[in-house]
Amino acid sequence: EIVLTQSPGTLSLSPGERATLSCRASQSVSSSYLAWYQQKPGQAPRLLIYVTSTRATGIPDRFSGSGSGTDFTLTISRLEPEDFAVYYCQQYGSSPLTFGGGTKVEIK
Amino acid sequence: QVQLVESGGGLVKPGGSLRLSCAASGFMFSDYYMTWIRQTPGKGLEWVSHISTGGGDIYYADSVKGRFTISRDNAKNSLYLQMNSLRAEDTAVYYCARDHYEGSLAPSTARHWGQGTLVTVSS
Repeated sequence: EIVLTQSPGTLSLSPGERATLSCRASQSVSSSYLAWYQQKPGQAPRLLIYVTSTRATGIPDRFSGSGSGTDFTLTISRLEPEDFAVYYCQQYGSSPLTFGGGTKVEIK
Repeated sequence: QVQLVESGGGLVKPGGSLRLSCAASGFMFSDYYMTWIRQTPGKGLEWVSHISTGGGDIYYADSVKGRFTISRDNAKNSLYLQMNSLRAEDTAVYYCARDHYEGSLAPSTARHWGQGTLVTVSS
């Protein structure tokens, strides 16, 4: 099983700042099948990024993904008030499909 | 638009059973992998089970294998999760999710999610 470790656990930033979230896999993620989700309180997660760097429909271009192998990054170029949430990575290159533990982006 | 509506959650005693349902609309249900994902405060998100379009590919997490059964009725656009021998650690919000790709041969990302249904296992 591929274990995904997200860091930091919490990121305290101000609106307008850049956020950099890390997702590290215990083994190489096949075909860069790595996705990112955003979850706000009381809501289901929402798919942001798939295949490492492709934005899902309707996702603003301030969200970008990068990486390969075992190291992946989600970058939010300029934080908007609605971006403060919890972010999860997920790998789907090998079974079982697994999620990371999440990074909370909070207002500083 | 895509809609997934879960039902069937509730409070159940340890050892009891529940059947979750997910009513799908707004897309060709029979063309997509479907998945149950659960979320607990302590363990985050867990991919519990998935089922292929025709039911030939079924996966269960080790934590539920032998106790949970996933099924689908393509004629009724519905997904189910029969949960038996429930334990306290099964307490979670259970989400029904649709795969990203139509006609995929393997599960991928959860492109669309329901609102979730809470299952509480407690005496």
